Amino acid sequence: DQQVKQNSPSLSVQEGRISILNCDYTNSMFDYFLWYKKYPAEGPTFLISISSIKDKNEDGRFTVFLNKSAKHLSLHIVPSQPGDSAVYFCAASDINEKLTFGTGTRLTIIP
Amino acid sequence: GAVVSQHPSWVICKSGTSVKIECRSLDFQATTMFWYRQFPKQSLMLMATSNEGSKATYEQGVEKDKFLINHASLTLSTLTVTSAHPEDSSFYICSARAWSQETQYFGPGTRLLVL
Repeated sequence: DQQVKQNSPSLSVQEGRISILNCDYTNSMFDYFLWYKKYPAEGPTFLISISSIKDKNEDGRFTVFLNKSAKHLSLHIVPSQPGDSAVYFCAASDINEKLTFGTGTRLTIIP
Repeated sequence: GAVVSQHPSWVICKSGTSVKIECRSLDFQATTMFWYRQFPKQSLMLMATSNEGSKATYEQGVEKDKFLINHASLTLSTLTVTSAHPEDSSFYICSARAWSQETQYFGPGTRLLVL
């Protein structure tokens, strides 16, 4: 049972435009959400997180939105840059503080 | 800040041998460390959680006698794959989290190939 889902396996965006990556979850006990960026054969790099008591968190070009009623979160990257090309994983944790990862979305930024 | 290292970055070994992977938090004290495994084109799967000074907690389906985890200090955890077989070939990644923090910081991963 996939509790965290990223339904788009890939996404291509023109450089300078906004990239929107989506993530859905089913476990209502998740209370903390994170986005990681990953290159092949490397560990994930933490990007941004959000607590369930908030609906938005912003850090530079990255903004994460959380819609608890819809059990949906999204990562916005604006403006998109070629270096943003990578696989993006959303992750969620509950009171046990273990992370459950989504399946990832491969983002390609087109110059 | 929040740098996590892993050593070695890759290892090739013969079937039946044991391999030890180290995970270190370089600039913070990691009260909890996690070990993940990633198969090609799949997500990260949690293998076990270890708290400093106590026994690791393994996820369902992970053999604790095969994957020995030691978290003897606040900056070091080790994963030993005992009697490795070709099916153990994978990408192993650790993460570390400081006390009272929710964010996990990941190491660069170790690619294991068992011949």
